[in-house]
Amino acid sequence: EAEVAQSPRYKITEKSQAVAFWCDPISGHATLYWYRQILGQGPELLVQFQDESVVDDSQLPKDRFSAERLKGVDSTLKIQPAELGDSAMYLCASSLHDEQFFGPGTRLTVL
Amino acid sequence: TQLLEQSPQFLSIQEGENLTVYCNSSSVFSSLQWYRQEPGEGPVLLVTVVTGGEVKKLKRLTFQFGDARKDSSLHITAAQPGDTGLYLCAGTDSGYALNFGKGTSLLVTP
Repeated sequence: EAEVAQSPRYKITEKSQAVAFWCDPISGHATLYWYRQILGQGPELLVQFQDESVVDDSQLPKDRFSAERLKGVDSTLKIQPAELGDSAMYLCASSLHDEQFFGPGTRLTVL
Repeated sequence: TQLLEQSPQFLSIQEGENLTVYCNSSSVFSSLQWYRQEPGEGPVLLVTVVTGGEVKKLKRLTFQFGDARKDSSLHITAAQPGDTGLYLCAGTDSGYALNFGKGTSLLVTP
């Protein structure tokens, strides 16, 4: 069964360092999403891609976060510099129509 | 952003009991989805409801979408320890982006 792949699964970093997360969506899914989920909360959308184009990045803290999907397939989310408050689960999802399929997430801990 | 409120926030019950969790909003959604999330994993879609008044059943789980498409409920019959997890509702109005509630954390003990 096709799945959304994410790596790494866990990342521990110190504040002010740079981190990057990778997502490979289900083959053929044009829409890709990055969400952030703080412990005890629901996921919050950071950025949405349609193919290689950004559709919505209104909730992305652009002073430190960046996201790209250069070839319209896999995607990278970067944080530079990381802050203590960035500790969270970062989830990637993809969709062909309106049903979204989530990856296992990357658990980020900033020390 | 359309806000979704879920209740209760936490629920601890014994195996065999029934339970209902709620998802409410003041906004109308074109569709609403329920997910279950286990610790350290991503959410897994349980069901999508799109029609006001719609009822869907998935084994012991019954999902209902309100007539006005502003609210939904999830009822679990004879809960089992395997039902333990975080239940999230999420709504969309357009463009496929989901607005999630904060979730209901369910613990079912043997």
